[in-house]
Amino acid sequence: NAGVMQNPRHLVRRRGQEARLRCSPMKGHSHVYWYRQLPEEGLKFMVYLQKENIIDESGMPKERFSAEFPKEGPSILRIQQVVRGDSAAYFCASSWNRDSGEKLFFGSGTQLSVL
Amino acid sequence: KQEVTQIPAALSVPEGENLVLNCSFTDSAIYNLQWFRQDPGKGLTSLLLIQSSQREQTSGRLNASLDKSSGRSTLYIAASQPGDSATYLCAVRYAGKSTFGDGTTLTVKP
Repeated sequence: NAGVMQNPRHLVRRRGQEARLRCSPMKGHSHVYWYRQLPEEGLKFMVYLQKENIIDESGMPKERFSAEFPKEGPSILRIQQVVRGDSAAYFCASSWNRDSGEKLFFGSGTQLSVL
Repeated sequence: KQEVTQIPAALSVPEGENLVLNCSFTDSAIYNLQWFRQDPGKGLTSLLLIQSSQREQTSGRLNASLDKSSGRSTLYIAASQPGDSATYLCAVRYAGKSTFGDGTTLTVKP
């Protein structure tokens, strides 16, 4: 039973390009959460999605960032026109149920570097 | 506002010492609290999960406690080893999402 899979592991982009980060949740999980970790900081919540729905995007920057979790396929975090300040580790987590007491399972993250 | 604070930010101890890491949260309407370990440049490894109805959980040399009424959790590490050196994060689960503290970076010196 594979865990949460994120790819790519490392992504290098030049300023102004687009970054697409993918997350496949654990089998059977329909809830996905994206977090960002800036250098020397903790994890900051970005967005929570359920299949085909954005439930909570209170942590998403207002511009350039978007997320989706289609009926089929992985969840995608998309960053348009990247800037150097977007350089960070982006982690995805999944769970089976929203409000149960179960644990979150995290992927290994995508390290985004903007040149 | 749901805030999670971890104290201290960094801790250095000699090998063999017992130590306590602290986590406090402002909103006590939690579902659970989860302690993670993060090695430099790596992802998160789940250590212990405490449900809101529980007081503590143990795994090997690790013991986590939860006092929901006072908004506090502690992670106790017994007989620390150099391999315990890492950043320890606590995550408080609320309805819909978890909020993380900024972590405590632990260094265990041989």
